[in-house]
Amino acid sequence: DAKTTQPTSMDCAEGRAANLPCNHSTISGNEYVYWYRQIHSQGPQYIIHGLKNNETNEMASLIITEDRKSSTLILPHATLRDTAVYYCIVRGSARQLTFGSGTQLTVLP
Amino acid sequence: ETGVTQTPRHLVMGMTNKKSLKCEQHLGHNAMYWYKQSAKKPLELMFVYSLEERVENNSVPSRFSPECPNSSHLFLHLHTLQPEDSALYLCASSQERLVTEQYFGPGTRLTVT
Repeated sequence: DAKTTQPTSMDCAEGRAANLPCNHSTISGNEYVYWYRQIHSQGPQYIIHGLKNNETNEMASLIITEDRKSSTLILPHATLRDTAVYYCIVRGSARQLTFGSGTQLTVLP
Repeated sequence: ETGVTQTPRHLVMGMTNKKSLKCEQHLGHNAMYWYKQSAKKPLELMFVYSLEERVENNSVPSRFSPECPNSSHLFLHLHTLQPEDSALYLCASSQERLVTEQYFGPGTRLTVT
């Protein structure tokens, strides 16, 4: 599975959009991009995933560049409860998810 | 109860003790997972069960012994642990065909003294 690179930490003002970047320059054609988050002292929570088209659900939007070498998770109106570590994961046919270090997002009041 | 539950939420045990962690999922899933999360380290996959058969074991020491009696329950039996085994142990489940949309429990915080 392709390796991902994410910033260690980011801040976002409450009510503003949080844009979390992820680089996956070695991604191959059959690999999906997944996003999970982990709020402190809780288990990870699935957010969204995509292959090549942009995706949106009730939690977030996922924008994948045309060359698929990077993606951005967008939380349109961040709240204090969105403070968490956000993991970008690229997975192909492997059964397991490989979690990296993620991005610590802190939403500031 | 909904989702994925884990008991106990906190456990302190000595190195000579034997204990078990329990996970139960109420989502109708047929794949279950154990992960370990040590302080300041990424999540590590330990075991995967699919349709009650163990399909992956990521080089986990034998002092950790999983058991999956049915598709809703997963156990992790612990014996003669070491202090470095102190960690958050997370259980997750998924539909077999959607293995990357996993639903996690709250975890058991284990301290080995």
